[in-house]
Amino acid sequence: QKEVEQDPGPLSVPEGAIVSLNCTYSNSAFQYFMWYRQYSRKGPELLMYTYSSGNKEDGRFTAQVDKSSKYISLFIRDSQPSDSATYLCAMSVSFKTIFGAGTRLFVKA
Amino acid sequence: DAMVIQNPRYQVTQFGKPVTLSCSQTLNHNVMYWYQQKSSQAPKLLFHYYDKDFNNEADTPDNFQSRRPNTSFCFLDIRSPGLGDAAMYLCATSRDGGDNEKLFFGSGTQLSVL
Repeated sequence: QKEVEQDPGPLSVPEGAIVSLNCTYSNSAFQYFMWYRQYSRKGPELLMYTYSSGNKEDGRFTAQVDKSSKYISLFIRDSQPSDSATYLCAMSVSFKTIFGAGTRLFVKA
Repeated sequence: DAMVIQNPRYQVTQFGKPVTLSCSQTLNHNVMYWYQQKSSQAPKLLFHYYDKDFNNEADTPDNFQSRRPNTSFCFLDIRSPGLGDAAMYLCATSRDGGDNEKLFFGSGTQLSVL
C-alpha cells in the first residue's frame, strides 16, 4: 500500500464548476498537509497548507483534513481555465515530504 | 526575485554516459532536495542536504550521487544512466526542513536517455 493515494484523473470540468480533489494516506504520524499545483513542464508550487484536522480557506480554495479517516480534500470554487494543472497532495514528517501522484485537472472555457 | 534555478531544462544523454544536473538557489535556504518524477507519478525523494550533511534515501540507487559545494549550489550526478532513469528531476529547497515548511521547487530538468 502506498503511503499516499490520489486519483490520477484526468478530471474535466466546465468553467465555474466546483472541483473536489482528494487523497487518502496511511501514516498516522503525518501532521502537516499540503496541496501543490504543478503546471505542465514546471516544478510544483505550494497552494495550500493545513496543520492537523479542520478546514482552511484561501480565496477560491478550501483545504480540508479529516485525520480520523486519513482523508484530505481540496475544493476549488468558480474554477477557471487557469486552474488547469496537476494537483499534488503532500504530507511531511521528519524532513521528508511524501507526495501523491497528482490529479490532472482540465477546466474548459 | 529569489528563486531556485535548474540547468539545463532539457538534457539528452546516452545509455551509460555520465550526466550532471545543476541547481542553484538565491533563497539562502539550509536544505536542498533532489526529487525524481516520472510521468504521471509522484515526485520521489532521492536525497537531501541539510547544510553540508548528506542524507540518502534508503531506496536511492548507488548510480545517483550528489554534491553541494556551497550553500547556493547542488548537483545531481548520474554515473551510468539507464533507460529507466529518464524522468523529470526536481530540485527543491526549504529554510530548515521542518515538517511545517514549504518546499520551493525549480522548474526541473527533463532527462532523456537514448
